[in-house]
Amino acid sequence: AQSVTQLGSHVSVSEGALVLLRCNYSSSVPPYLFWYVQYPNQGLQLLLKYTTGATLVKGINGFEAEFKKSETSFHLTKPSAHMSDAAEYFCAVSPIHGSSNTGKLIFGQGTTLQVKP
Amino acid sequence: NAGVMQNPRHLVRRRGQEARLRCSPMKGHSHVYWYRQLPEEGLKFMVYLQKENIIDESGMPKERFSAEFPKEGPSILRIQQVVRGDSAAYFCASSPHQGAYEQYFGPGTRLTVT
Repeated sequence: AQSVTQLGSHVSVSEGALVLLRCNYSSSVPPYLFWYVQYPNQGLQLLLKYTTGATLVKGINGFEAEFKKSETSFHLTKPSAHMSDAAEYFCAVSPIHGSSNTGKLIFGQGTTLQVKP
Repeated sequence: NAGVMQNPRHLVRRRGQEARLRCSPMKGHSHVYWYRQLPEEGLKFMVYLQKENIIDESGMPKERFSAEFPKEGPSILRIQQVVRGDSAAYFCASSPHQGAYEQYFGPGTRLTVT
């Protein structure tokens, strides 16, 4: 079964510092990959996604992620953290099984990002 | 366009009662997914529905849980005889296409079982 591992349940950075949130997946066939952000008591908002093509994808709010097939990774980065980035971040995969894929998302455990002034 | 709507936002039920959670997908979306987020855990897939059809229910508990998406009206997630372990946030997401595609999430329904 496919799984998603997010290293570090809590990450703390200073405002203006680099943000790096790690995500690894287990799959023999590279799935589609997503990063979502969840603010307290709200639903999930899509930050970015990788399906095919360029392996470096840019998302909203200055975030980007790079798909590395050899490392089965899809780490999320932002050059300079802002206080408003404090939230929970979820990496997710959508398995591709040819014509039978249903689009369900498999989520990692989430990483809470704290931004210190 | 309105986003994905879920109601109620908060629901309190006593053990043994029934809970009904509603989800109205985005306009033009006919694919609905339900996920459950238990405290301190990530989201877990429950069920995927299209209009009048359950496509994938591999994540649904075998008993007490059911889902529907009728031709008219919202999708309903129904939990019968709730237990304390059902306390969680339940999120609905919709998509315009079948298959691996981005999903748009609602604000969730937070169910508390007392």
